[in-house]
Amino acid sequence: ETGVTQTPRHLVMGMTNKKSLKCEQHLGHNAMYWYKQSAKKPLELMFVYNFKEQTENNSVPSRFSPECPNSSHLFLHLHTLQPEDSALYLCASSQIGTGDNEQFFGPGTRLTVL
Amino acid sequence: GENVEQHPSTLSVQEGDSAVIKCTYSDSASNYFPWYKQELGKRPQLIIDIRSNVGEKKDQRIAVTLNKTAKHFSLHITETQPEDSAVYFCAASIQAAGNKLTFGGGTRVLVKP
Repeated sequence: ETGVTQTPRHLVMGMTNKKSLKCEQHLGHNAMYWYKQSAKKPLELMFVYNFKEQTENNSVPSRFSPECPNSSHLFLHLHTLQPEDSALYLCASSQIGTGDNEQFFGPGTRLTVL
Repeated sequence: GENVEQHPSTLSVQEGDSAVIKCTYSDSASNYFPWYKQELGKRPQLIIDIRSNVGEKKDQRIAVTLNKTAKHFSLHITETQPEDSAVYFCAASIQAAGNKLTFGGGTRVLVKP
């Protein structure tokens, strides 16, 4: 695998379920991100992790819980979601501290909450 | 915080014509402005970026201009081709502050053959 991978690619869950999204980057980067992409809204930054430490929580509801066990892996734990949480969840990574700001995105997880 | 507005939301052009997308930002401290292209069903990919120490940057058929005083920047695509059909997102960030990108709402570009 190269670049940024995400699993699962599609997920349907009920409001009482607990599920997790997984992201893995194979680029040797030191920063990882979760974005939410809805049909009617711009890409919304949810969380930022630099060197495994969370540096940004963009007022995300607590029903979304991120985890970054190491600089290559990022998880988004989901519980008691609402139908309005249905969206495409994109993971991205970048290398900070080198002047290269490019963020590389994964293919996304299409989440549907029933 | 930063707010990025992007216009138009949709743009239809004839193949071979030019396409222009405009973005404005609110935080005068922002100094890094990337543009991402997202084809249908695919992930966003960086196509060009500009930093505040330059006013224009060009890469083949795409160019970006930046007006720091007016706080706006634009993407120009010349000689459009059907493969340019996609959603384009502008973004802004403060480079020294790390890597928090604020995205515009996106422009859906359709190039008609």
